[in-house]
Amino acid sequence: DAGVIQSPRHEVTEMGQEVTLRCKPISGHNSLFWYRQTMMRGLELLIYFNNNVPIDDSGMPEDRFSAKMPNASFSTLKIQPSEPRDSAVYFCASSHPGLKYEQYFGPGTRLTVT
Amino acid sequence: QQQVKQSPQSLIVQKGGISIINCAYENTAFDYFPWYQQFPGKGPALLIAIRPDVSEKKEGRFTISFNKSAKQFSLHIMDSQPGDSATYFCAAIMIKAAGNKLTFGGGTRVLVKP
Repeated sequence: DAGVIQSPRHEVTEMGQEVTLRCKPISGHNSLFWYRQTMMRGLELLIYFNNNVPIDDSGMPEDRFSAKMPNASFSTLKIQPSEPRDSAVYFCASSHPGLKYEQYFGPGTRLTVT
Repeated sequence: QQQVKQSPQSLIVQKGGISIINCAYENTAFDYFPWYQQFPGKGPALLIAIRPDVSEKKEGRFTISFNKSAKQFSLHIMDSQPGDSATYFCAAIMIKAAGNKLTFGGGTRVLVKP
């Protein structure tokens, strides 16, 4: 298996622009998680889906952030408009229904907003 | 509300020494406690996990000690090697609950000096 796939790996954009991050979970996994990691705030859970349905979005910082999971093999995290304080590494992770405590993380997308 | 507190934030150990990372939790409903390891530029990956009815679990040079009454658990890295230099996260989850959310500690950056 290829593991969790994220794209792009790096994104540099200007303040005010729309940013879309993409994730393909591992086949057979039914839960998908979006995290943000910064030096200041550590690893933060933004939102997670179970069977393509958003379960908990309490970590989404504000209305500028939105996430979708149209099917079991694809999810997006969108930031519109982006701000410099959104600069971080964004991870997508997925887990199998039989092993809830083991999340498989993707390589991350490093976002820089100038 | 930080439900899992991790310490220290960073530690430096000589090759061959023991690295010890401590975590404390508040919610007694947690019923599984994994540890994740993250190398620079990579996503976190599951290292080892323990149930609260077990006081110790060992896998190679990594050992988890669990104290249910004190609501504390720790990771010991024996005979630390430079390749162990990474950030370590403790976590907690309610396996029996409907949700799949992991609650992570703040992370400990470990540097093993040769």
